[in-house]
Amino acid sequence: AQSVAQPEDQVNVAEGNPLTVKCTYSVSGNPYLFWYVQYPNRGLQFLLKYITGDNLVKGSYGFEAEFNKSQTSFHLKKPSALVSDSALYFCAVRVRNRDDKIIFGKGTRLHILP
Amino acid sequence: DVKVTQSSRYLVKRTGEKVFLECVQDMDHENMFWYRQDPGLGLRLIYFSYDVKMKEKGDIPEGYSVSREKKERFSLILESASTNQTSMYLCASSMYGTGYGYTFGSGTRLTVV
Repeated sequence: AQSVAQPEDQVNVAEGNPLTVKCTYSVSGNPYLFWYVQYPNRGLQFLLKYITGDNLVKGSYGFEAEFNKSQTSFHLKKPSALVSDSALYFCAVRVRNRDDKIIFGKGTRLHILP
Repeated sequence: DVKVTQSSRYLVKRTGEKVFLECVQDMDHENMFWYRQDPGLGLRLIYFSYDVKMKEKGDIPEGYSVSREKKERFSLILESASTNQTSMYLCASSMYGTGYGYTFGSGTRLTVV
C-alpha cells in the first residue's frame, strides 16, 4: 500500500539553528513529492515539490528538501530557523496512476524556540 | 491571485441539522477534494471529484455527501450533523495530471453541539 510517514510528531529547534523535518514514503513506481505548511486555523500552503531532475529542491521561505531514492526519503530542511517557521508541516506523495489523489503524512509540529 | 474559497471560517450547528459547506475555486481546476482534519489523525479524505457531476468516495464518506453541479463549485453536505463531525474541514483543488499539487482553502472549523 502507498504511504507516507513522518516519524516525529513534534520537532523543537532553537532560533538560528538548522532544522530538519523527516519524511519517508512507500509507493510503487516513481513518486511526486510535496511539502505543505499549515499555520493555526488556516488551510495548507504549498512549500515545494519534487517531480524529476535535481534531487535538491528549493521552495518558499528559504526551505529546501532533498529527494533520496535509495532511502525513500524527502526530508525538509532550512539552514537557519526563524520563530515564524513554527507551524504544522505535512509531507505528501502523489501516486502515478489515473487516480490523482495525494497521500498526506500525519504532520509534524515544528516549534522554533526564541 | 488564484484561490480556493470556503464560504465560512467558523460554523456552529446543532445535532441533526443538515449542513452545507461550500467551496469555490477560480482556477478552472478539474479536480476537487474535501478533507477533514483532526488532531493526531492528519488529513482524511471524505470525497473527491474529477469532473462536473462526478464524485467518488474517499476514505471516510459515511455521514457525508457531495454535489458538483458546476466545475468551480464543490459542496460538502452533512445529512444529519452529529457531534463526532466536529472538525476542521478543508477543500482543495488541482489540475488534472499527477505533477500538480493541491491548492487549499482556508478551512471551515465546524462545531456540532
